Amino acid sequence: DSGVTQTPKHLITATGQRVTLRCSPRSGDLSVYWYQQSLDQGLQFLIQYYNGEERAKGNILERFSAQQFPDLHSELNLSSLELGDSALYFCASSVGGSSEGYEQYFGPGTRLTVT
Amino acid sequence: AQSVTQLDSQVPVFEEAPVELRCNYSSSVSVYLFWYVQYPNQGLQLLLKYLSGSTLVKGINGFEAEFNKSQTSFHLRKPSVHISDTAEYFCAVTYLGGYQKVTFGTGTKLQVIP
Repeated sequence: DSGVTQTPKHLITATGQRVTLRCSPRSGDLSVYWYQQSLDQGLQFLIQYYNGEERAKGNILERFSAQQFPDLHSELNLSSLELGDSALYFCASSVGGSSEGYEQYFGPGTRLTVT
Repeated sequence: AQSVTQLDSQVPVFEEAPVELRCNYSSSVSVYLFWYVQYPNQGLQLLLKYLSGSTLVKGINGFEAEFNKSQTSFHLRKPSVHISDTAEYFCAVTYLGGYQKVTFGTGTKLQVIP
């Protein structure tokens, strides 16, 4: 158990809909990262927040957005969903940033299926 | 831009045999290097990391990796694999300092054959 929790575990929704994925980092961790893992794209970094502020952006679509709240939990919002958005979405947390050498602790993931 | 290459998408190996999983990165500046493992239906967990110092890094479960700056490589090795090592292994790199994201390789699936 990494100490990172993600809800829900599974999500099935239709194209065009909007969903929210939630992540609670390990106690004491200030950084939260979001990743998308699919068979064709592999593991893709989406976005990182540090203590409530966006720190780094990766391959995140404009239809996706995220935020980190004062209690440090984070939400990833996916809108206008397409079939290709079906994937496993991971949240990870770390004390500081990976660019400072801190390792990331990954949650169990949310499996999103868009039908 | 930083990139990570894991040339082998799948590596089959017999139980108790040695294994090496290759990782090369592109960077002209100092980097931090990580290896993560993903067991089936689980998130990733850290195996080992290189920040500085000795180029030979030892991790959990008997794995080790060697940082080679001249060849920009960070290959993962284990002298004798076990069935329980069957998993997908990801190499990751990030720049020293700054606000750079971490870049993951495409992963190598290690299949240990009994």
